[in-house]
Order: sequence, then structure tokens, then C-alpha cells
Amino acid sequence: QVQLVQSGAEVKKPGASVKVSCKASGYTFTSYYLHWVRQAPGQGLEWMGIINPNGDSTNYAQKFRGRVTMTRDTATSTVYMELSSLRSEDTAVYYCARNSYPRFDHWGQGTLVTVSS
Amino acid sequence: NLMLTQPHSVSESPGKTVTISCTRSSGSIANNYVQWYQQRPGSSPTSVIYENNLRPSGVPDRFSGSIDSSSNSASLTISGLKTEDEADYYCQSYDTRNHVVFGGGTKVTVL
Repeated sequence: QVQLVQSGAEVKKPGASVKVSCKASGYTFTSYYLHWVRQAPGQGLEWMGIINPNGDSTNYAQKFRGRVTMTRDTATSTVYMELSSLRSEDTAVYYCARNSYPRFDHWGQGTLVTVSS
Repeated sequence: NLMLTQPHSVSESPGKTVTISCTRSSGSIANNYVQWYQQRPGSSPTSVIYENNLRPSGVPDRFSGSIDSSSNSASLTISGLKTEDEADYYCQSYDTRNHVVFGGGTKVTVL
């Protein structure tokens, strides 16, 4: 069965960077793009961007350009999302989700990133 | 920037029907498919409607979706409400650059 398993919770100081991983299994990793979506406490879903595991091309939401980097490792079927220059407003649960256009058909369990001094 | 506007909350009694709207701010609602996701507290979102009105396998037929070009909106209807339907619901579509846009979410309360 399709599974997306994310790395554990992180606590970071303002100005630092965080790198969240999402390990895919149960399907051919390079056949499906993967999105990153975040959700601040008590807030809605916010799309951050998408990566093509077959070739490493990316497309980022305007809001995060310059601060976010999405990469993949085909050897381990893992995608990564790194967010830099963290501020308190980046405190959120970060999700990876598989793209089965036009929908997101499988989601990771989420990774809580807390930014606090 | 494209916005999808949803009501903040709706509530209804068990067995009744609720409809959640999702209004597109610019461009035609028919230009890009609309999806709906259910998110229960503490859980990841799950797909309940895709391509405007299709249900993934395992989603009961109490859930239905539609679009209305006259109001430039999409709707999610849940009939025969059950307590397990209490959750947040998000619509999702795409802008002209094929970037993903989510609605703000609607909290459904089953009284």
C-alpha cells in the first residue's frame, strides 16, 4: 500500500533552517510528483510547492521562493523540504502529499516544526 | 492572486444535509477541476471529492460535489449527516500558472 512517512518533530530558533523528509513506499517513486503543504496552528492548508522525483524539477509558491528548497533521493525514495531563515510564523505542521492530478491522493502524517527562541 | 472563499462554519443535525460553498475569485470555476478534502482533528487531510464530482473509492455516496458557473462556485454536499462527518473541509483548485490554491476551510459541526 502507498505510504508517505515523514521525519519527526523539530524545534528551531529564528533564523535557522529546517529539513523535513518524506519517504515513499508502495509505488514507483519516480512516477508521481510530490507536493509540500503546511498548516499553521488552527489555520488552513497552504501550498508550498511541488517536486518531480523523476528529474528533480521543482515549482515553488511565490511566497516561499528564495527560502524553500525541495530535493529528492531516488536511491531511498525520499523527498526533502528545506526551509531557511525561519521565523515564528513558520511554526506549522508540514505535510508531503502525492500528486495524482488533479488531486492529492495520499498524504504523509505531518511533521510539526516549532520556531521559538 | 486567486482566492477560494468558503464559509467559516456550518452546523446541522444528524441525518440532515449540509452544503459547503467554494467561490472562485477570478477566472471561471469550470476552467480547473475542484477537489475537496476532509480533515479530522489531529489527522492528515483525505480526499472526498475530485474532478468536481468524483468520489475516491471508499468515500460514501453521501458525499457529492458540483460546480455552478453562474455563481462561479463549487459545492460539497453531505447528506444523511453522521457524527463522524464532523471535520474541517477544504476545497482546492489551480490558478492560471497551475499553482495549487486551497480554500480557507469550513468547520462542519454535527449538532
